[in-house]
Amino acid sequence: AQSVTQLGSHVSVSEGALVLLRCNYSSSVPPYLFWYVQYPNQGLQLLLKYTTGATLVKGINGFEAEFKKSETSFHLTKPSAHMSDAAEYFCAVTYTGTASKLTFGTGTRLQVTL
Amino acid sequence: NAGVTQTPKFRILKIGQSMTLQCTQDMNHNYMYWYRQDPGMGLKLIYYSVGAGITDKGEVPNGYNVSRSTTEDFPLRLELAAPSQTSVYFCASSQQGVAGNTIYFGEGSWLTVV
Repeated sequence: AQSVTQLGSHVSVSEGALVLLRCNYSSSVPPYLFWYVQYPNQGLQLLLKYTTGATLVKGINGFEAEFKKSETSFHLTKPSAHMSDAAEYFCAVTYTGTASKLTFGTGTRLQVTL
Repeated sequence: NAGVTQTPKFRILKIGQSMTLQCTQDMNHNYMYWYRQDPGMGLKLIYYSVGAGITDKGEVPNGYNVSRSTTEDFPLRLELAAPSQTSVYFCASSQQGVAGNTIYFGEGSWLTVV
């Protein structure tokens, strides 16, 4: 069964510091990987996704993620955190032949401090 | 662009009552989904549909029913509400085809069962 693990349910960084949110997946077949962001009392917004091709994926709001097959990882990074990045972030995975059903990680809440 | 629209946004139910969460999408997507989100648990798939007239169970279907009479609509029915169904519910949709297609989410429905 497919699964996603997000290490760290809460991450706190200073404004201007590097943001690193970790995501590992389990898979025996090629995955399709997603990062979603959820602001308080709102729905999920797609940040970026990896399907095929280039392993470094750039998304909205300055975020990017790198697919590393050897490490089964898809970590999300941003060079310089902004106060507006405070939100909950979800990593998710799906595979061919699964009707695009997503399996989500448990989420990481990002706090940005002055 | 309306995208995925859910109603109601907020609802309080008494134990044993029933209700329907409405979901409609205007993107002509074949695939539709219902997820529930609980604190620290990420999102879990309740039911999904790959087209009008076709529905299937997800990971946590007990206590829920769905129907898909049209491409646009995918209502979620709660029968005999229980406190364990207190959650945030998200409807989502996706275009049929490549598994890496983006899944679009509604704004969520906050349900409390008391």
